[in-house]
Amino acid sequence: AQKITQTQPGMFVQEKEAVTLDCTYDTSDPSYGLFWYKQPSSGEMIFLIYQGSYDQQNATEGRYSLNFQKARKSANLVISASQLGDSAMYFCAMREATGFQKLVFGTGTRLLVSP
Amino acid sequence: GAVVSQHPSWVICKSGTSVKIECRSLDFQATTMFWYRQFPKQSLMLMATSNEGSKATYEQGVEKDKFLINHASLTLSTLTVTSAHPEDSSFYICSARDPPTGVGNTEAFFGQGTRLTVV
Repeated sequence: AQKITQTQPGMFVQEKEAVTLDCTYDTSDPSYGLFWYKQPSSGEMIFLIYQGSYDQQNATEGRYSLNFQKARKSANLVISASQLGDSAMYFCAMREATGFQKLVFGTGTRLLVSP
Repeated sequence: GAVVSQHPSWVICKSGTSVKIECRSLDFQATTMFWYRQFPKQSLMLMATSNEGSKATYEQGVEKDKFLINHASLTLSTLTVTSAHPEDSSFYICSARDPPTGVGNTEAFFGQGTRLTVV
């Protein structure tokens, strides 16, 4: 069974600094996808970044980058130059390659960006 | 990107009544939609996978008769919370993919979510 672990319940960062949100996963499937979503207090789920298990390079999307270490089964999210608007819950998720290809979510990390 | 619309965004109902939540894919066809439940300060827990034209697949521990899912068309899935009780109060959110298959870089698009309060 797939499992996603986010060990940081909360993180603080000062504006303009970089922050890393940790995510480890466990799966026996060779093919899978890893996602990061942002959930502000409004509840909507905002897609941030995707990493495929066969991708050779780490994914980047603007200020977001994914530090993918396959052997360690980790997919940490790095947010550079934090902004006040980055304060939110962040969820790491994995999509299985078989069946309905549903997303399994980690417990989330609450990020607070201070001025 | 693709748009998934969920309605209502919030609802308050009396204990014992039923509540229907709609999830629509506005600009694509979704043969598969997913329904999640999220308690305050917790993660999204998958409740069921909704399949167009067939029965939903429920996750372990989710009561099928309590949470009725209907996916009658390629753009609409509904979740009905039957005989709601205060413990059913939660945030319910749906998602769909476009395209629907492949592990590749196709993120799940989420509805806005529905905050259900049962009094």
